[in-house]
Amino acid sequence: GQQLNQSPQSMFIQEGEDVSMNCTSSSIFNTWLWYKQDPGEGPVLLIALYKAGELTSNGRLTAQFGITRKDSFLNISASIPSDVGIYFCAGRGSNYKLTFGKGTLLTVNP
Amino acid sequence: SAVISQKPSRDICQRGTSLTIQCQVDSQVTMMFWYRQQPGQSLTLIATANQGSEATYESGFVIDKFPISRPNLTFSTLTVSNMSPEDSSIYLCSVSGGELVADTQYFGPGTRLTVL
Repeated sequence: GQQLNQSPQSMFIQEGEDVSMNCTSSSIFNTWLWYKQDPGEGPVLLIALYKAGELTSNGRLTAQFGITRKDSFLNISASIPSDVGIYFCAGRGSNYKLTFGKGTLLTVNP
Repeated sequence: SAVISQKPSRDICQRGTSLTIQCQVDSQVTMMFWYRQQPGQSLTLIATANQGSEATYESGFVIDKFPISRPNLTFSTLTVSNMSPEDSSIYLCSVSGGELVADTQYFGPGTRLTVL
């Protein structure tokens, strides 16, 4: 089946630093979605990407759909303490099911 | 986006009993999904809840253990039957399609289940 490799597994950064995380797949996806999950909450959709090469921003977040359709990255600029959480990438194929990465745990030191 | 509610938000149950989790969404959606997330892990799809027909289960999940209902376009239930401690997990409802932006998918707040 499809597998997503998400890296890094965890990051510990200082407030104000930029962050980058990425996902790679063994298969092609039609859509890439990035989520953030806070403790005790469900994942919240941050950015959705629909076309190869697409670059989309949402405030301090920027994500790109890789040209090969097998990868995506998420950047967070000027991190703040509330950015703390687990970030998940997810790819959707033609069967409408999401395949999730294992998550990146982000810790921001004030 | 969609506003999704789940009931109960959490529960502690005895082994051998069953728990039914409800999911309500404020928009008419085409697809409703149920996921499980074990502590410190990623999300695993249990099944797709189909309106008017039987749910479609993923490998490793069966209807007898996780019966699902989907009576209309805004509501679904997941039952965790004959529970054991291994069923302790967060169960998440998720929705897509219909009145929502195409190719997006949203999640409910989750139901945290502990089985003793």
